Amino acid sequence: NAGVTQTPKFRILKIGQSMTLQCAQDMNHNYMYWYRQDPGMGLKLIYYSVGAGITDKGEVPNGYNVSRSTTEDFPLRLELAAPSQTSVYFCASQTLGAEAFFGQGTRLTVV
Amino acid sequence: ELKVEQNPLFLSMQEGKNYTIYCNYSTTSDRLYWYRQDPGKSLESLFVLLSNGAVKQEGRLMASLDTKARLSTLHITAAVHDLSATYFCAVDSTDDKIIFGKGTRLHILP
Repeated sequence: NAGVTQTPKFRILKIGQSMTLQCAQDMNHNYMYWYRQDPGMGLKLIYYSVGAGITDKGEVPNGYNVSRSTTEDFPLRLELAAPSQTSVYFCASQTLGAEAFFGQGTRLTVV
Repeated sequence: ELKVEQNPLFLSMQEGKNYTIYCNYSTTSDRLYWYRQDPGKSLESLFVLLSNGAVKQEGRLMASLDTKARLSTLHITAAVHDLSATYFCAVDSTDDKIIFGKGTRLHILP
């Protein structure tokens, strides 16, 4: 019953560093999403994927990249981290028209 | 471009009272979701509404969808303290994006 697993849970980056946030799901869902949530705010869509090999930009894609080589995994890459990328990042997966399952989030601080 | 608006954004109410949270969206969609988030936690699914006139109920919460008005409501009946949380609506766009509202922070006073 793993569901959606995100790693790491917490990370501190220095400005200009890069990192990859990992997301894996074991429910064979085609649709996967990356969101960021700033303090006291809603969720903003960064990138999404409707199946392996297919990705598309969301509302706030600048500064991020994704790949979807398998159904299970949807990593989010941050290049040249900036303080504006300090946020909590959530990965989610779903079958079309059904509820989305969210990971526990990655709390990222860029200093 | 799909926009999703919730109101109110903040709501403080007393136990035992009824209230409604509204979710409006800007473009055609017949798939709408409600989620709950507790402080410092992830999101938990409450309701999936998939057609015009859909109504779902779970305990003291009831959600409905009017696709013609592009409006969903989340009604709280006889609120209890345990319902204090942030509630989000989210809408499926025609290009498979799921766009969230800003959330309604609900605080129920004992």
